[in-house]
Amino acid sequence: LAKTTQPISMDSYEGQEVNITCSHNNIATNDYITWYQQFPSQGPRFIIQGYKTKVTNEVASLFIPADRKSSTLSLPRVSLSDTAVYYCLVGDGDNAGKSTFGDGTTLTVKP
Amino acid sequence: GAVVSQHPSWVICKSGTSVKIECRSLDFQATTMFWYRQFPKQSLMLMATSNEGSKATYEQGVEKDKFLINHASLTLSTLTVTSAHPEDSSFYICSARDRSGVGYTFGSGTRLTVV
Repeated sequence: LAKTTQPISMDSYEGQEVNITCSHNNIATNDYITWYQQFPSQGPRFIIQGYKTKVTNEVASLFIPADRKSSTLSLPRVSLSDTAVYYCLVGDGDNAGKSTFGDGTTLTVKP
Repeated sequence: GAVVSQHPSWVICKSGTSVKIECRSLDFQATTMFWYRQFPKQSLMLMATSNEGSKATYEQGVEKDKFLINHASLTLSTLTVTSAHPEDSSFYICSARDRSGVGYTFGSGTRLTVV
């Protein structure tokens, strides 16, 4: 299962776009990339998943380059409530549940 | 969307007693569920994989006799912390995947405090 590396922390201001990059150099062919958000004392919440190129949903976009060795979660116009820890996980199907949670990125949004 | 219910949300118990935590998939069936432990300011650590109708698979370093996992139905997995000690105090989280959906759904977590 691919190991992931993310920045430990990031700061932003309300209304800005935030991009969090995750490195996963040994991603396997069948692996998907999934991002989760976690607030204190809560379980992680699914944000977005992708395999290649770009994926967009109502809350975020996920950019994946052709070599898939990294991915970037983009949060448009963040608000104070987006302050949380963000994790990227790499894995395939049922095995994705065994993916190792890295340290995650603590995003702090300031007013 | 898929919902995973975890109960209780918090529990305080005395050293030496056992505590059971339930994880239910409310609107889907889950043949596999996962149990994690998270200490303050740390990431989630996978403890075990719960398999419906068979024995759980434990990660290296996790004592299977201390953390008993039962997955008796397609919608319920339980984690029992036996003979709890203060060092078992942690945030325990379960997850499951709805095959018709995307990604994993996590429970809301259980804060265990052993005194």
